[in-house]
Amino acid sequence: KQEVTQIPAALSVPEGENLVLNCSFTDSAIYNLQWFRQDPGKGLTSLLLIQSSQREQTSGRLNASLDKSSGRSTLYIAASQPGDSATYLCAVRLLADMRFGAGTRLTVKP
Amino acid sequence: GAVVSQHPSWVICKSGTSVKIECRSLDFQATTMFWYRQFPKQSLMLMATSNEGSKATYEQGVEKDKFLINHASLTLSTLTVTSAHPEDSSFYICSAQGQEITSGYGYTFGSGTRLTVV
Repeated sequence: KQEVTQIPAALSVPEGENLVLNCSFTDSAIYNLQWFRQDPGKGLTSLLLIQSSQREQTSGRLNASLDKSSGRSTLYIAASQPGDSATYLCAVRLLADMRFGAGTRLTVKP
Repeated sequence: GAVVSQHPSWVICKSGTSVKIECRSLDFQATTMFWYRQFPKQSLMLMATSNEGSKATYEQGVEKDKFLINHASLTLSTLTVTSAHPEDSSFYICSAQGQEITSGYGYTFGSGTRLTVV
């Protein structure tokens, strides 16, 4: 069964720092991997989608990489801002459904 | 881009009553929709997968008679929590599988429904 793990579970950084969130999955037979942001009590916002044939995707200050063979993905956030504070979830898409990690709760302090 | 509308965004109901949550794909046809539940400080957990015109497939441990899912059209899926109890209080999110042309086979999520059973 596909397991998705995110490390760290929580992260607190001062404003302006560059940071990396990690996601690992046990079965490399994925269709794609998606990073989401979730604000408290809100739904998910898709940040980046990486197809299984791709190695990375970039959007603004965000860069996500995918190493399917090793079962790893990282989300890099450059020049963090207080508005980046949220929970970040990675999810892998299998043929029939999607599996989520438990998330990394990020706090960016002004 | 692909948009999924979920309604209501929050609902409070009395124990023993039923609540219906709607999930609509606004600008694309979704042959498959998914329902997730999230308890406080926990990750999303898949409850069931619904395909248009057929019975939903439920994850292990999810009571199909309690969580009724109907996917009668390519743009609408509903989740009905029957005889709700306080332990059903949770955040429910739906998602729809987009078509490649709109989302590269990514998933689009509704904004979620916070259910509180008193």
